[in-house]
Amino acid sequence: GAGVSQSPSNKVTEKGKDVELRCDPISGHTALYWYRQSLGQGLEFLIYFQGNSAPDKSGLPSDRFSAERTGGSVSTLTIQRTQQEDSAVYLCASSFLSLAVQETQYFGPGTRLLVL
Amino acid sequence: LAKTTQPISMDSYEGQEVNITCSHNNIATNDYITWYQQFPSQGPRFIIQGYKTKVTNEVASLFIPADRKSSTLSLPRVSLSDTAVYYCLVTSGGQNFVFGPGTRLSVLP
Repeated sequence: GAGVSQSPSNKVTEKGKDVELRCDPISGHTALYWYRQSLGQGLEFLIYFQGNSAPDKSGLPSDRFSAERTGGSVSTLTIQRTQQEDSAVYLCASSFLSLAVQETQYFGPGTRLLVL
Repeated sequence: LAKTTQPISMDSYEGQEVNITCSHNNIATNDYITWYQQFPSQGPRFIIQGYKTKVTNEVASLFIPADRKSSTLSLPRVSLSDTAVYYCLVTSGGQNFVFGPGTRLSVLP
């Protein structure tokens, strides 16, 4: 079946512009995660959606970052007034049952964002 | 959330067995241990998960001692294509999103 998809695969923008990154999770998955990965670094958690519950936004680095998940499926990560330090790969993952500790995450290919 | 510690990098040669150990001293009773693999320009991919003792699948084995304060990922007879970053996670009540820096494994010919 189809895996997690993300779009665009690459995005180049100018400092100060807003960008929107999209994630299509695996159908039926109730949990959705956004991460950021800078070059050569590990994954930095950003935000987590579980079903219809309020999202866990504890990882968002600033108020320029926001995300929504419409209808429990597609999610959009928005970065306002982008800065050069926002340049990174933004990864989305989904999982089936978020309340079970043994559930695993399925990752998309990521969106590579470059802020000039 | 339990913090994990693993070596930053490891080198190996083709055909050798590779063991990557992860420390998680404050692991909780309900926590599981999960390992992911990440190739360049790709998202991480699930490898194996366990709670205690030993788990084996077609890719790897996971050894967890009785105190569960560490775990060892074992990759049998590695090949060049196993060159990747390997992440150890402790999953806590659904909050399984704390990825450390991982271990960068380089397999040499």
